Amino acid sequence: DARVTQTPRDKVTEMGQEVTMRCQPILGHNTVFWYRQTMMQGLELLAYFRNRAPLDDSGMPKDRFSAEMPDATLATLKIQPSEPRDSAVYFCASGLTRDSSYNEQFFGPGTRLTVL
Amino acid sequence: RKEVEQDPGPFNVPEGATVAFNCTYSNSASQSFFWYRQDCRKEPKLLMSVYSSGNEDGRFTAQLNRASQYISLLIRDSKLSDSATYLCVVRKGTGGFKTIFGAGTRLFVKA
Repeated sequence: DARVTQTPRDKVTEMGQEVTMRCQPILGHNTVFWYRQTMMQGLELLAYFRNRAPLDDSGMPKDRFSAEMPDATLATLKIQPSEPRDSAVYFCASGLTRDSSYNEQFFGPGTRLTVL
Repeated sequence: RKEVEQDPGPFNVPEGATVAFNCTYSNSASQSFFWYRQDCRKEPKLLMSVYSSGNEDGRFTAQLNRASQYISLLIRDSKLSDSATYLCVVRKGTGGFKTIFGAGTRLFVKA
């Protein structure tokens, strides 16, 4: 049963520290999405990649957030420096897209981040 | 105005009831539409895609009205296990795969 995996599942850190979240998409999927979910804002799209190339990161605060895909099996989201307002659940999702067709996104279990 | 808007609820219904959710979207160029379900403290999961002709999957029926820019989800014969948050999802425009999630509608089904 193929699944998206995310690490860590929970992270508590202090303001100003660097946070790195990792995601392993489902093998064979070519599109990876990063979302942030809070009670106030709901699910917000931060960035997404297709075939490892960043397509859109307009939802991401550029000054402190960065997203990369070093290879097809790993996506990372970094926050440096972290702030209390970054506290949220961060989801990674992967999917298989071809040309203009679009298929289901499969979500990982999320990383619950708390910045004190 | 948010790009995808949903009534947050909560909807509290007894088992066996029929309940309907609506969702409106602002971008007329939106191409693909979905309903996802999210259980408490879990990740979202695809419930069903929404096609122009409408589609049904067991007790669930989804409809799309492009002229009015809204999507609906109908749940018949509600079960306790249907209690969750239902997220309306819209894929924007052409050439990309950017997806916008609504804030979700909470459903509680009671015995």
